[in-house]
Amino acid sequence: QSALTQPASVSGSPGQSITISCTGTSSDVGGYNYVSWYQQHPGKAPKLMIYEVSNRPSGVSNRFSGSKSGNTASLTISGLQAEDEADYYCSSYTSRVVFGGGTKLTVL
Amino acid sequence: QLQLQESGPGLVKPSETLSLTCTVSGGSISSSSYYWGWIRQPPGKGLEWIGSIYYSGSTYYNPSLKSRVTISVDTSKNQFSLKLSSVTAADTAVYYCARHKSLTTIDYWGQGTLVTVSS
Repeated sequence: QSALTQPASVSGSPGQSITISCTGTSSDVGGYNYVSWYQQHPGKAPKLMIYEVSNRPSGVSNRFSGSKSGNTASLTISGLQAEDEADYYCSSYTSRVVFGGGTKLTVL
Repeated sequence: QLQLQESGPGLVKPSETLSLTCTVSGGSISSSSYYWGWIRQPPGKGLEWIGSIYYSGSTYYNPSLKSRVTISVDTSKNQFSLKLSSVTAADTAVYYCARHKSLTTIDYWGQGTLVTVSS
């Protein structure tokens, strides 16, 4: 059982927006602004998409955005594209680095 | 461009020690303010942080694995290493080495290497 809770799957049509939630506790997500999001395509290494709740690394599309409210962080992808179909993982920190269980995004 | 490459045996026998090395190119492992870590992913499952080492040599381990894990760095070779002792089939996974800007911000990943624990 993962320390952070994510929905197992989400889906959306091209051009739409989707949001993936990541729920933790006041000891991790709620306690620090250290939430990251990673995208992983099959057979590939994860890629950093969002760090410190809402910051995008250089080169990541501005269609990806992050936010946090209380103990829940969210990743929003706007203008869905076929290439966004992947697994997404959130991460935070308590006394250790913790990941969510992952969310499979399907672009219909 | 920073690159990380894992190397080591792809097959380890139960009860033995898994040993992997990560070679860093395109940057110095001694650069200040970075952590160097290991993350694993069992087939078809999610990510699990194993542990990390700060450029100063301080180590941070997942409490669930701490008794079996050692991470070390060899600055002369620009490499860092993972040793996981007393392995079982549950340790079968793709092992990634990575660079952290902070403990939760992993900005560079190796391609990953599959390690199977089997007799």
